Amino acid sequence: GAVVSQHPSWVICKSGTSVKIECRSLDFQATTMFWYRQFPKQSLMLMATSNEGSKATYEQGVEKDKFLINHASLTLSTLTVTSAHPEDSSFYICSTRENANTGELFFGEGSRLTVL
Amino acid sequence: DAKTTQPTSMDCAEGRAANLPCNHSTISGNEYVYWYRQIHSQGPQYIIHGLKNNETNEMASLIITEDRKSSTLILPHATLRDTAVYYCIVRESDYKLSFGAGTTVTVRA
Repeated sequence: GAVVSQHPSWVICKSGTSVKIECRSLDFQATTMFWYRQFPKQSLMLMATSNEGSKATYEQGVEKDKFLINHASLTLSTLTVTSAHPEDSSFYICSTRENANTGELFFGEGSRLTVL
Repeated sequence: DAKTTQPTSMDCAEGRAANLPCNHSTISGNEYVYWYRQIHSQGPQYIIHGLKNNETNEMASLIITEDRKSSTLILPHATLRDTAVYYCIVRESDYKLSFGAGTTVTVRA
């Protein structure tokens, strides 16, 4: 089946630094990827839609200059958290659609970011 | 976009069937019902989806009422590894999924 892989699984960084999270589709080409954020004991919140070769679409309230998304190839999307602060500590998850007919989405394993 | 309502939590005995209800009274005719689950500190895992007919796969069964205003996910023989948060989702446009609070299912030995 389809596999979506995220890297790193977890990362700890100092406040003010930038962190890049990668999301790869291993068995198929993904023109669209979705980035979610999940705070402890809360549900997943969609942050942005990443489109290959074009600008990402951000959900209301998500700062595009802080959460930079790059989808330069059909198998890789990256999320960069710029100038990270403790409040950015969260579980970041990507997903992508494999089955064009059903819209079935597959999710990565998630990346846990802790900002000190 | 349609929203869903699920019980906050549910306990289930190992080896027994777990029936997870979901209300989606404002669902529109072309919207699918999806079920995902999330085991602690992992990404969500697809379980099953349907439009109006009942569906079954190796993981679960999905029963959708005739008026499509509610559905039930059935885990036929719950195991301890089925302990997770289960999300019932009505698919939005462009394949985006909006996650509600879900049902925290605890399977007990």
